[in-house]
Amino acid sequence: QVQVVQSGAEVKKPGSSVKVSCKASGDTFNSNAVSWVRQAPGQGLEWVGGIIPMLGTTYSAQQFHGRVTITADSLPSTAYMELRGLTSEDTAVYYCARHGGYRPVSYPLDSWGQGTLIIVSS
Amino acid sequence: DIQLTQSPSFLSASIGDRVTITCRASQDTSTYLAWYQQRPGRAPKLLIYAASTLQGGVPSRFSGGGSGTEFTLTISSLQPEDFATYYCQQVKSYPLTFGGGTKVEIK
Repeated sequence: QVQVVQSGAEVKKPGSSVKVSCKASGDTFNSNAVSWVRQAPGQGLEWVGGIIPMLGTTYSAQQFHGRVTITADSLPSTAYMELRGLTSEDTAVYYCARHGGYRPVSYPLDSWGQGTLIIVSS
Repeated sequence: DIQLTQSPSFLSASIGDRVTITCRASQDTSTYLAWYQQRPGRAPKLLIYAASTLQGGVPSRFSGGGSGTEFTLTISSLQPEDFATYYCQQVKSYPLTFGGGTKVEIK
C-alpha cells in the first residue's frame, strides 16, 4: 500500500508562488495518476488538477489555468504542484492523492497525503 | 462541467440509525462516482468507487448505489466513528468535481 507524504506548511505573501511536493513510499506514482485537491478553511473539496506521470500529461480546473503547474519525477517518485499569483483566497489545505489507475478520469483517489497548509497573508 | 449536488448538507442521527445521503449529477456520469469520508483534521478516505464497489478495508455497513445522475450512500447502522463529512466525486470527465459535502452529526 502506498504512503503519500507531503511537504510542510508554508506562509506566503500575496502575489508570490508556492511549490508543494508529495512523495510516494511503499509503491510509486509511476503507473498511477496523481491529483491535487484543496480545501479552504471550513469549506469543501476542490480539484485543482492532475498529472499522468508516465506521460507527463497534465490537467487542471479552469479557474487555475495559467496559474498552476503540476509535475512529477520518477526517481524518487515525487509529484509537485506550483501555484503562482497567490491571493488570500488560495489559503487552504492542499492534498496530494493517487488515483487507482493510470489517468485521473475513471479512477478514484485511493491514497491521500496528510495535507499541506498554505497560508497567504501580508 | 458536471455539477454534483448532495442532500442533505447536514444530518443529525443516533447510533444505530440507518442513514442515506444522495448525490445528484447535472449530467450522466454512468457509474464513475466515488464516495469519501473526512473526519475533522484528517485527509479524505475513499469508501466506495464505481458507484457501488466497497474499497478494501471499509466496513460492510457502508453501501453505494445508483447510476446516471442519481446516487446514494447508505450507512446501515451508524457507529460512533462514522460521524464525519461525506463527499461524492465524479471521475467521468474533466474537471473532476466534488459534491458540497454532507456533515453527519450525533443527535
